[in-house]
Amino acid sequence: EVQLVESGGDLSQPGGSLRLSCAASGFKFFTYAMHWVRQAPGQGLEWVAYISSSSNAIYYSDSVKGRFAISRDDANNSLSLEMNSLRADDTAVYFCVRWGRKEASFDSWGQGTLVTVST
Amino acid sequence: QSALTQPASVSGSPGQSITISCTGTNSDVGGYDYVSWYQQRPDKAPKLIIYNVSRRPSGVSDRFSGSKSGNTASLTISALQAEDEADFYCSSYTSSTTPYVFGSGTKVTVL
Repeated sequence: EVQLVESGGDLSQPGGSLRLSCAASGFKFFTYAMHWVRQAPGQGLEWVAYISSSSNAIYYSDSVKGRFAISRDDANNSLSLEMNSLRADDTAVYFCVRWGRKEASFDSWGQGTLVTVST
Repeated sequence: QSALTQPASVSGSPGQSITISCTGTNSDVGGYDYVSWYQQRPDKAPKLIIYNVSRRPSGVSDRFSGSKSGNTASLTISALQAEDEADFYCSSYTSSTTPYVFGSGTKVTVL
């Protein structure tokens, strides 16, 4: 069974930093591209970042480019999101999401971790 | 990249069919067959229900079907059931600087 478990969500002041982690199990992690997707309270889904299976392709949304960094550790089956210069509008639940190779879609989601940016 | 346009809400009675639209441009929905749909129940993670415009993952009810015409994709839920109450989101690959985009979301209410 595919499992994605996020951690690291917390309360941060504006301008602060946080590091989110996602522990993957139940599949060959190193063969899959991965994403982070977020959802602000009461709002819709927003794609945040993508990393290919070999880490040779990385993309970010315009709203986080230059502030966030996605990375992966295939030896430990983990995905990370380093978040810097946090702003109030980064407040959201952050989901770790697998990119389905056959489905070319977001085929498996974690339960999410809440990041709150506030004074 | 702006969100794809979906109606804010759609409702129907049990047993009826409803359709949710997802409108983009020829740089996303109209340009690629990488349109997918997700169901999100309250306080849960989204779940993939349609990929590649019209394909269903294993285990997803055949009451869900997808289609596309031009720059608009559609999700149809037939024989509506109370358990279908949820938020639904479309998504598409896009040729813009941000390669993936979601729709604005549609709340489905079963009357």
